[in-house]
Amino acid sequence: QVQLVESGGGVVQPGRSLRLSCAASGFTFRNYGMHWVRQAPGKGLEWVALISYDGSNKNYADSVKGRLIISRDDSKSTLYLHMNSLRPDDTATYYCAKELTAKIIFPAPLDDWGQGTLVTVSS
Amino acid sequence: DIQMTQSPSSLSASVGDRVTITCRASQGISNYLAWYQQKPGKIPKLLMYAASTLQSGVPSRFSGGGSGTDFTLTISSLQPEDVATYFCQKYNTAPGTFGQGTKVEIK
Repeated sequence: QVQLVESGGGVVQPGRSLRLSCAASGFTFRNYGMHWVRQAPGKGLEWVALISYDGSNKNYADSVKGRLIISRDDSKSTLYLHMNSLRPDDTATYYCAKELTAKIIFPAPLDDWGQGTLVTVSS
Repeated sequence: DIQMTQSPSSLSASVGDRVTITCRASQGISNYLAWYQQKPGKIPKLLMYAASTLQSGVPSRFSGGGSGTDFTLTISSLQPEDVATYFCQKYNTAPGTFGQGTKVEIK
């Protein structure tokens, strides 16, 4: 049974940094591309970033490019989101999600989602 | 970047009604379109991918269609447990843009 457990959220001041983690289990983590998707309070889903199964392809939403960095550690079955220069409009619940299809470089639908971790950027 | 626009933003229908939600891409995306259901206070759930392929375990009253720029999600007979917000998402290339969502309520 697939499990994705995010952690690392909290309250942070504008301009500061934060690192989110997503611990994966129940599937062969190294075979799947992973994404971060966020949802501001009361708002819709916003795609944030993806990393391919082999780490060779990383893509970002324009709104986070240059500030947020996605990475993965297959030895720990863990996905990360390094968040720098945080802004109030980064306030959201951040979900990690697994791609439906194994071992593809291009994006795929997201069939498993974590419960999310809330990041609040406020002074 | 390709924009995804859903309509309507919200709808209210009776139990048993047929409900259709539309998603339009600003450029063609072939059939690289997924639909997600997010019930209040819950995480998103994949309903459909490749525009019309039902994800395992999803009731057959849900169906999808379309290709290119225009897509639909249809609930053939609305049930109380279908109260949720529905999102479309393109995944032909990054960014994996979502539509703004359609909130479905029971009348």
